[in-house]
Amino acid sequence: GNSVTQMEGPVTLSEEAFLTINCTYTATGYPSLFWYVQYPGEGLQLLLKATKADDKGSNKGFEATYRKETTSFHLEKGSVQVSDSAVYFCALSPNSGNTPLVFGKGTRLSVIA
Amino acid sequence: DAGVIQSPRHEVTEMGQEVTLRCKPISGHDYLFWYRQTMMRGLELLIYFNNNVPIDDSGMPEDRFSAKMPNASFSTLKIQPSEPRDSAVYFCASKFGQGTYEQYFGPGTRLTVT
Repeated sequence: GNSVTQMEGPVTLSEEAFLTINCTYTATGYPSLFWYVQYPGEGLQLLLKATKADDKGSNKGFEATYRKETTSFHLEKGSVQVSDSAVYFCALSPNSGNTPLVFGKGTRLSVIA
Repeated sequence: DAGVIQSPRHEVTEMGQEVTLRCKPISGHDYLFWYRQTMMRGLELLIYFNNNVPIDDSGMPEDRFSAKMPNASFSTLKIQPSEPRDSAVYFCASKFGQGTYEQYFGPGTRLTVT
């Protein structure tokens, strides 16, 4: 079946540190991959996406590259800010958007000044 | 656009009571999803609709849960009777079209059952 595994949190970093949140997936066919972010007290919102192998999604300084050979979609940011504190969800869409997204369990990031 | 609207934002009720959560999707969106989020289980898909028709309700935990979408602009999730283990944040999300991926989430309803 389709599933997403992401590193367990919480992750605590100092401001300006480098961030990596690991995400690996299992899927049939060629899924599209996503990172969603949930800020405190809010719903999830799309952060970035990649729809085919070797694509790089990027937004707000965050990046993730679709690696088919390692079935991974790790989230990175070179210099985190306090405002990046949130829960990050990796997700996949098994096909062309006809079925619901499959979410990982989420990773809580806390950035301290 | 106002985004996905959920009400109430917070609900506290006693075990055994009926609870109704409400959602207004973004205008024009034809898919609607209900999720439940807890610390233990993470984000779970409960049910989703396409053009007001329930497509997959396999995530609904048990018969105490029911969901309806009487028209394109309104959906309800009802729990009757409620139990303490139903305490969670319930999210509604919507999207437009078969070939699109981005789901737009509402702010959630935090339900506490005592």
